[in-house]
Amino acid sequence: DVKVTQSSRYLVKRTGEKVFLECVQDMDHENMFWYRQDPGLGLRLIYFSYDVKMKEKGDIPEGYSVSREKKERFSLILESASTNQTSMYLCASRGEALTAKNIQYFGAGTRLSVL
Amino acid sequence: RKEVEQDPGPFNVPEGATVAFNCTYSNSASQSFFWYRQDCRKEPKLLMSVYSSGNEDGRFTAQLNRASQYISLLIRDSKLSDSATYLCVVNRVVYGQNFVFGPGTRLSVLP
Repeated sequence: DVKVTQSSRYLVKRTGEKVFLECVQDMDHENMFWYRQDPGLGLRLIYFSYDVKMKEKGDIPEGYSVSREKKERFSLILESASTNQTSMYLCASRGEALTAKNIQYFGAGTRLSVL
Repeated sequence: RKEVEQDPGPFNVPEGATVAFNCTYSNSASQSFFWYRQDCRKEPKLLMSVYSSGNEDGRFTAQLNRASQYISLLIRDSKLSDSATYLCVVNRVVYGQNFVFGPGTRLSVLP
């Protein structure tokens, strides 16, 4: 069974803290993604990575950075958390485009509150 | 125009009803289409891929109309357990082939 694991289900942080959200997949997928989901705004892509050490900005990268040192792990970093980064964060992974592996699987999500 | 648009809903239907959701996408070069389902406070999960010729999976039927850039999902004989938000997903035709998720249509099946 496919698995995308996010390190925390709930996090509470203070404004200005550095926050790390970790995501691990066990499907040997090349592509990994970080989204945030907010009521009325749907899923918005923050960053994605198509290979180790490679990263691409998504639609809303400001205030975030990412790290992909190993194929199975993709980390989202909030350099200095702000209250407008309170959200549900979802990690996803996907195999090669235009193949039978082109299915995107999500982790259970991390609900982050920044106070 | 938004990349992917859906009926906002909510759709409130009685058990046993047939319900249809519509989705339009803006990029005519898109090649991959999906319907995902998201339960309240859970992650999205793949419901079904959408193929050019249309496809069926039990009570669910998906159709694709490339000329009109339109995707549909039909649910027959609705069950209480079908209550969820249904997300239309289309690939973005750029390097990396990331997906664009529609805003979702919420369905409530009532007893």
